Amino acid sequence: EPEVTQTPSHQVTQMGQEVILRCVPISNHLYFYWYRQILGQKVEFLVSFYNNEISEKSEIFDDQFSVERPDGSNFTLKIRSTKLEDSAMYFCASSEAGTGLDYEQYFGPGTRLTVT
Amino acid sequence: AQSVTQLDSQVPVFEEAPVELRCNYSSSVSVYLFWYVQYPNQGLQLLLKYLSGSTLVESINGFEAEFNKSQTSFHLRKPSVHISDTAEYFCAVIFPFSGGYNKLIFGAGTRLAVHP
Repeated sequence: EPEVTQTPSHQVTQMGQEVILRCVPISNHLYFYWYRQILGQKVEFLVSFYNNEISEKSEIFDDQFSVERPDGSNFTLKIRSTKLEDSAMYFCASSEAGTGLDYEQYFGPGTRLTVT
Repeated sequence: AQSVTQLDSQVPVFEEAPVELRCNYSSSVSVYLFWYVQYPNQGLQLLLKYLSGSTLVESINGFEAEFNKSQTSFHLRKPSVHISDTAEYFCAVIFPFSGGYNKLIFGAGTRLAVHP
């Protein structure tokens, strides 16, 4: 069964460093998303991406964050200068385009980011 | 404001007992409703969804949820739980007419612990 994959599973970085979290969405999906879950808190929407551009973003997704689809398969989230409060589990998700189908978001296993 | 409330943070239950996990949302217009399950050390898996039509929806592993528009609820139920149902359950909502066409808003999650 097709699935969303994410690498690495765990990333440790120092405050101020840049990190790139990688995702491979399901191959025929056209919508891509990033969510995060700070330990003990809700899963929060960060950004959605369609047709090579951001379609929606939350207040969390400030200038320190960026997303990119550098090739036909990868979808990345970059944090330019990490802060302690960026420590969280980051989930990538994808969905098909089409009536109703784009609501079914399939999630990857997550990348745990620890900023020290 | 768009919000999703899961009233119970933890629900302990004995094996083969029935269970109900509660979810309420704030909206007076149409929404799309989802339940996701997260098993230990895994990502979020879509359990079931309500987009339109019959208000009672079922999953392949015996869970069901009923959309109640007047009470703005989407409670998850199972008549007889198994040890393997132990997981975190997240209710999520898309508010398509409030600017969040593809943005999932999550509840805080309910940890279901099934005991022998």
